[in-house]
Amino acid sequence: DVKVTQSSRYLVKRTGEKVFLECVQDMDHENMFWYRQDPGLGLRLIYFSYDVKMKEKGDIPEGYSVSREKKERFSLILESASTNQTSMYLCASTTAGTSSYEQYFGPGTRLTVT
Amino acid sequence: GENVEQHPSTLSVQEGDSAVIKCTYSDSASNYFPWYKQELGKRPQLIIDIRSNVGEKKDQRIAVTLNKTAKHFSLHITETQPEDSAVYFCAASIVGADGLTFGKGTHLIIQP
Repeated sequence: DVKVTQSSRYLVKRTGEKVFLECVQDMDHENMFWYRQDPGLGLRLIYFSYDVKMKEKGDIPEGYSVSREKKERFSLILESASTNQTSMYLCASTTAGTSSYEQYFGPGTRLTVT
Repeated sequence: GENVEQHPSTLSVQEGDSAVIKCTYSDSASNYFPWYKQELGKRPQLIIDIRSNVGEKKDQRIAVTLNKTAKHFSLHITETQPEDSAVYFCAASIVGADGLTFGKGTHLIIQP
């Protein structure tokens, strides 16, 4: 059974702080993704990674960076948190194979920036 | 980039009736179209998906249809039950190239 975990369910940070969100998957998936979910806007892709040390910008990368030093771990970094980054952050992973393209999601981190 | 439009934003149906949610996409290169269900406070979970070489796919009470020419795809749920109440998201992607582009979601309410 695929398991995607995220380091925190709830996080409260101050404006200007550097914030780290961690995601770990245990299925040896090559591909990992970070989305943010806002009411009425659905899920929007921030960054993704196809391999260790590789990263690609998604649709809304501004204000974010990522790090993938190990295959199972994908970190989202908010360099200087702002109130408009208050949101639910969801990590996902999928295999690079062609048998299934299903993305498996983590439980989410609800970040509040005050 | 890809743009996915989803309608309606809210859908209320009587238990036992059918529900249909529709999505359109803009990038003709997209070739993978999943549907995710998200219950309140839970993570999105895949319920059905379709690839561009197939026009229709069914799994018990759930079916998805794809019209590549018109660039739209739909989710059909028959004999709706209370546990079908959730937010449903459609998405599109080019497999192997990037992540998913999601629609804004449909809140499906099953009335008893």
